[in-house]
Amino acid sequence: KQEVTQIPAALSVPEGENLVLNCSFTDSAIYNLQWFRQDPGKGLTSLLLIQSSQREQTSGRLNASLDKSSGRSTLYIAASQPGDSATYLCAVSSGGGADGLTFGKGTHLIIQP
Amino acid sequence: DVKVTQSSRYLVKRTGEKVFLECVQDMDHENMFWYRQDPGLGLRLIYFSYDVKMKEKGDIPEGYSVSREKKERFSLILESASTNQTSMYLCASSTTGGLNGYTFGSGTRLTVV
Repeated sequence: KQEVTQIPAALSVPEGENLVLNCSFTDSAIYNLQWFRQDPGKGLTSLLLIQSSQREQTSGRLNASLDKSSGRSTLYIAASQPGDSATYLCAVSSGGGADGLTFGKGTHLIIQP
Repeated sequence: DVKVTQSSRYLVKRTGEKVFLECVQDMDHENMFWYRQDPGLGLRLIYFSYDVKMKEKGDIPEGYSVSREKKERFSLILESASTNQTSMYLCASSTTGGLNGYTFGSGTRLTVV
């Protein structure tokens, strides 16, 4: 059964720093990997989607990489801002979108002004 | 703007009540999902559906049922609510194959008293 682990569980950094969030998964036979952001008490907002054939995706200050063979993904946030404070969730799809995502437990990120 | 809409943000119900959580998507997605999210446990899949009138059990279906009479609507039913079903409930949808990833609703915070 697929398992997804996110490290660190929590991170607090000063504004302006570049940072990396890590995600690992046990079964490399994934369909795609998605990074989400969740603000307290809210739903999930999709940040980046990487298909299994891709190595990375970029959106603004965010860059996500995927190394399927080693079961790892990273989310890089450049020039962090207080508005980036949230919980970041990594999720993998192993069944072509038909049977749900397997989630990590998230990294709780605080950007200090 | 494409959306997954959950009808209630907050609900308070009494133990033993029958509870309906509604979810509607406007993206013509084939697949729909219900998750619950609890501190320390992360997101867990309750039920999913890949077509109208079709349903499949997820990881934690006990105490729940679902209904999908129309493509755009997926309902989660708590037949007899219990206090251990107090949680955040999240609905999601995706296309067949999941090429565009998953889209989530804003969540329903259910409290059973």
